[in-house]
Amino acid sequence: DAKTTQPNSMESNEEEPVHLPCNHSTISGTDYIHWYRQLPSQGPEYVIHGLTSNVNNRMASLAIAEDRKSSTLILHRATLRDAAVYYCILRDPSGSSYKLIFGSGTRLLVRP
Amino acid sequence: SAVISQKPSRDICQRGTSLTIQCQVDSQVTMMFWYRQQPGQSLTLIATANQGSEATYESGFVIDKFPISRPNLTFSTLTVSNMSPEDSSIYLCSVGGLSYEQYFGPGTRLTVT
Repeated sequence: DAKTTQPNSMESNEEEPVHLPCNHSTISGTDYIHWYRQLPSQGPEYVIHGLTSNVNNRMASLAIAEDRKSSTLILHRATLRDAAVYYCILRDPSGSSYKLIFGSGTRLLVRP
Repeated sequence: SAVISQKPSRDICQRGTSLTIQCQVDSQVTMMFWYRQQPGQSLTLIATANQGSEATYESGFVIDKFPISRPNLTFSTLTVSNMSPEDSSIYLCSVGGLSYEQYFGPGTRLTVT
């Protein structure tokens, strides 16, 4: 499985945008970029995913570099509830397995 | 979406004993997975629970230590056998399939004394 690299931690102020980077220089052509987050004392939850084009949903936006070697998860207006560990994961849906392999993630702290 | 419940939510066990964790899903799912999250760490995949066949274990995990059952498409169990303090972790069940999302249970917090 291709590896991702994320900063260990980031801080943000409440109601400001947050940009969480992820490097994946060994990404293959069929890997999708997935983001999950884990709130304190909960299991991870899906945030967003994409292949080549930028993606938006109600939770966040995903900006993917043209060469696909990096991506950025954007929270447009951070709230205290967004304080969590954010995981960037590559997954190839063409394979027979749907497993997710988690890296170390980025712990986001949101200051009130 | 899928709603997942796990039992027990937490337990304290003595070393040398075994604990079976149950995972129940509110709908039929193709794939079920078991993860371990050691204190302060990320999630590590233990195995894929296959319905009607033996589980597929990741490197570093063996069936004798973590036997898994998957009797149907909505239920699975993970047993942590012959426990030691190093097995103290949160164990999470997740489900996935043809859709792009995986859904995770709330986890079982295990403390081995």
